[in-house]
Amino acid sequence: DAGVIQSPRHEVTEMGQEVTLRCKPISGHNSLFWYRQTMMRGLELLIYFNNNVPIDDSGMPEDRFSAKMPNASFSTLKIQPSEPRDSAVYFCASKTGTGGEKLFFGSGTQLSVL
Amino acid sequence: GENVEQHPSTLSVQEGDSAVIKCTYSDSASNYFPWYKQELGKGPQLIIDIRSNVGEKKDQRIAVTLNKTAKHFSLHITETQPEDSAVYFCAAIPRPGGSYIPTFGRGTSLIVHP
Repeated sequence: DAGVIQSPRHEVTEMGQEVTLRCKPISGHNSLFWYRQTMMRGLELLIYFNNNVPIDDSGMPEDRFSAKMPNASFSTLKIQPSEPRDSAVYFCASKTGTGGEKLFFGSGTQLSVL
Repeated sequence: GENVEQHPSTLSVQEGDSAVIKCTYSDSASNYFPWYKQELGKGPQLIIDIRSNVGEKKDQRIAVTLNKTAKHFSLHITETQPEDSAVYFCAAIPRPGGSYIPTFGRGTSLIVHP
């Protein structure tokens, strides 16, 4: 199994630009999570999906952030417009649904907004 | 909701020494406590876990202990090696409706000096 796949690995953009981060969960996993990691706040849960449906997006910082999961094998996290304070490492993670406790993380996307 | 406190934020040891990382949690309903290791440039990876019906669990040089009464749990690494250098996260998982969403500590940066 290839694990959770995220792209791109690194993204450098200018303030005001749209940024789209992508994630392919492990096949058969039906829960998907987006986390943001910063030195100040550690690992923050932004949003999670069960069976492609957003369950809790209370961690999404503001309306500039949006996430979609159009099918079981693909999810996107979009920031529009981006700001320098969005600079962080964004992780996608997946797990099996009912009864699954172990999270499998991708390698992350290092986002730098100039 | 659950709150997990993790200490210390940074831990520096000499190769061969032991390292201990401590976490406390607030929700008495939490019953599963995983530990994740994050190596540089990678996503966190589960290394060991413990359930609330067990007081201690060992896996080679790594052990976890849990004190349910005091609501704290610890990670112990013996005979540390340079490859143990990483960021370690503790987490607690309550079971409101079986959502299995972990609450993470802020992380401990472990540095093992050769």
